[in-house]
Amino acid sequence: GAVVSQHPSWVICKSGTSVKIECRSLDFQATTMFWYRQFPKQSLMLMATSNEGSKATYEQGVEKDKFLINHASLTLSTLTVTSAHPEDSSFYICTPSSNEQFFGPGTRLTVL
Amino acid sequence: QKEVEQNSGPLSVPEGAIASLNCTYSDRGSQSFFWYRQYSGKSPELIMFIYSNGDKEDGRFTAQLNKASQYVSLLIRDSQPSDSATYLCAVNIAGAGSYQLTFGKGTKLSVIP
Repeated sequence: GAVVSQHPSWVICKSGTSVKIECRSLDFQATTMFWYRQFPKQSLMLMATSNEGSKATYEQGVEKDKFLINHASLTLSTLTVTSAHPEDSSFYICTPSSNEQFFGPGTRLTVL
Repeated sequence: QKEVEQNSGPLSVPEGAIASLNCTYSDRGSQSFFWYRQYSGKSPELIMFIYSNGDKEDGRFTAQLNKASQYVSLLIRDSQPSDSATYLCAVNIAGAGSYQLTFGKGTKLSVIP
């Protein structure tokens, strides 16, 4: 299956700062990347879909100006959480759009 | 609203027993169905997927799909303590051409030694 890496795997930041999460598809050219979020004891919820070379699409209730997505190449998509607040603390997971449905290892964000 | 439902558990089974995990979905247009295992603090790992009605076996795991009843299940034979995890059912509701998944809330399984 597709090999996906995420960086960082764990980040702690102060409230009001911005955090960038990278998602790399190591052996698969991903024209589309899905970004999911998982709060403690909850299931995964789709946040947004990033598309290489074009604008991302966001799910209802997800602020596009707060969660900036860039998908500049077929192997890299980034999610930037701007002006992070404690309620943004969550587990962020990416997966390239494919029928294999393998997920990246996730990034745990803790906002103090 | 298109939904995927699972019993949250916890489901406890003794080691060596069969664990049965169930999932129902609301959208009859759903075409593909996935089972993931998620250990605490980790990303979900794909166990298996199923597209057609009937059973699909892979080692100790069997997925069962009944589209008429909108029901998909996962059986784990000879359960081991290492199988203790949360099992997520996911459904591709958007259909052909889109691989977006909708997840259930997961069932926590505990295998008792």
